[in-house]
Amino acid sequence: EPEVTQTPSHQVTQMGQEVILRCVPISNHLYFYWYRQILGQKVEFLVSFYNNEISEKSEIFDDQFSVERPDGSNFTLKIRSTKLEDSAMYFCASRHRDGGPQPQHFGDGTRLSIL
Amino acid sequence: AQRVTQPEKLLSVFKGAPVELKCNYSYSGSPELFWYVQYSRQRLQLLLRHISRESIKGFTADLNKGETSFHLKKPFAQEEDSAMYYCALSARRGGATNKLIFGTGTLLAVQP
Repeated sequence: EPEVTQTPSHQVTQMGQEVILRCVPISNHLYFYWYRQILGQKVEFLVSFYNNEISEKSEIFDDQFSVERPDGSNFTLKIRSTKLEDSAMYFCASRHRDGGPQPQHFGDGTRLSIL
Repeated sequence: AQRVTQPEKLLSVFKGAPVELKCNYSYSGSPELFWYVQYSRQRLQLLLRHISRESIKGFTADLNKGETSFHLKKPFAQEEDSAMYYCALSARRGGATNKLIFGTGTLLAVQP
């Protein structure tokens, strides 16, 4: 069964540095998402992406964050000037198409640790 | 406001006992509800979606619009059911986004 893959599995970065989290969605999926989960808290929506543009973003997703689909297969989340509070698990998800409650398929996540 | 509430952080039962994981939601439109499961050190996996009305691994969930609930049930728990369970609401925005709003999750621990 095809899967969403995320790299790296764990990223350790100094505060103030930039990080790029990478995701390869399932190949025939059209909708892409990033979520994060701070330790001990719920999974929170960050951003959704469709047709090469952001379709919705949460209040968490400020100018520090950006997403890109650079080559038709990868879907990246860039976090600039990282802060301690950015430490969390970041999950990528993809969904096939609209026209009904298609489920989102999640990757294993990237654990981001900001020192 | 769109919200999913899972009142129990931890539910501990003995093997063979019935299980009910509670989920209540708040949503002004017609909800699309899911249960996701996360086994230890694994990814979030779709367990059930309300529109399918199916039973997966013995689990069922019925949408009760009157009580705004989508509780997950299993008549006889197994040790391998031990995992984190998340209830999620799919929120439409112009029909295209379908972001998921998650509850805080319930850790199910099935004791031998």
